Amino acid sequence: GENVEQHPSTLSVQEGDSAVIKCTYSDSASNYFPWYKQELGKRPQLIIDIRSNVGEKKDQRIAVTLNKTAKHFSLHITETQPEDSAVYFCAAHNQGGKLIFGQGTELSVKP
Amino acid sequence: SAVISQKPSRDICQRGTSLTIQCQVDSQVTMMFWYRQQPGQSLTLIATANQGSEATYESGFVIDKFPISRPNLTFSTLTVSNMSPEDSSIYLCSPITQGRGADTQYFGPGTRLTVL
Repeated sequence: GENVEQHPSTLSVQEGDSAVIKCTYSDSASNYFPWYKQELGKRPQLIIDIRSNVGEKKDQRIAVTLNKTAKHFSLHITETQPEDSAVYFCAAHNQGGKLIFGQGTELSVKP
Repeated sequence: SAVISQKPSRDICQRGTSLTIQCQVDSQVTMMFWYRQQPGQSLTLIATANQGSEATYESGFVIDKFPISRPNLTFSTLTVSNMSPEDSSIYLCSPITQGRGADTQYFGPGTRLTVL
């Protein structure tokens, strides 16, 4: 079945720096890749997603890139702010119609 | 996105008892996913409840332990039966609503369960 690997598990950056989180997936038929942000004690929130017919998508300070050949996708956050501190999850939508989640990245943005 | 609510928001239960978690959505649901998130972990899919059919369970989860009901198109329940401390987790529902793509998923606020 689908397997999603996410790296790094923790990431600490200075405010204003960029943060990059990477994920790989195993099912070449996967065609939808969302990213979720989960703040402490709250539900996961969908922050950006990308479909397999697009290589890159940007929304203000957040961008996602997809390399279908290599089966990996990445989240890029520029000009990080302390409120970006959270756990981020990538996911891949597999052939069975289910979202398979990565293990999560705990991002800490230090002021 | 749809408004999703869950009850209870949290509970502390004794070993061997059962808890039913409710998920209410303000629009019609075509597919309901139930997830578990153990402390410090990622989200694990428990089961998928399609409209008009029985729920299908992921490997490691069985109907006797996690029965699911869908009495109508906007409401679903997940029961955690015969609980043990290992069941302490956050349980989240995630509905696919009519008019949305079959892959765009939002989550309910979650039910934080502690089993003593």
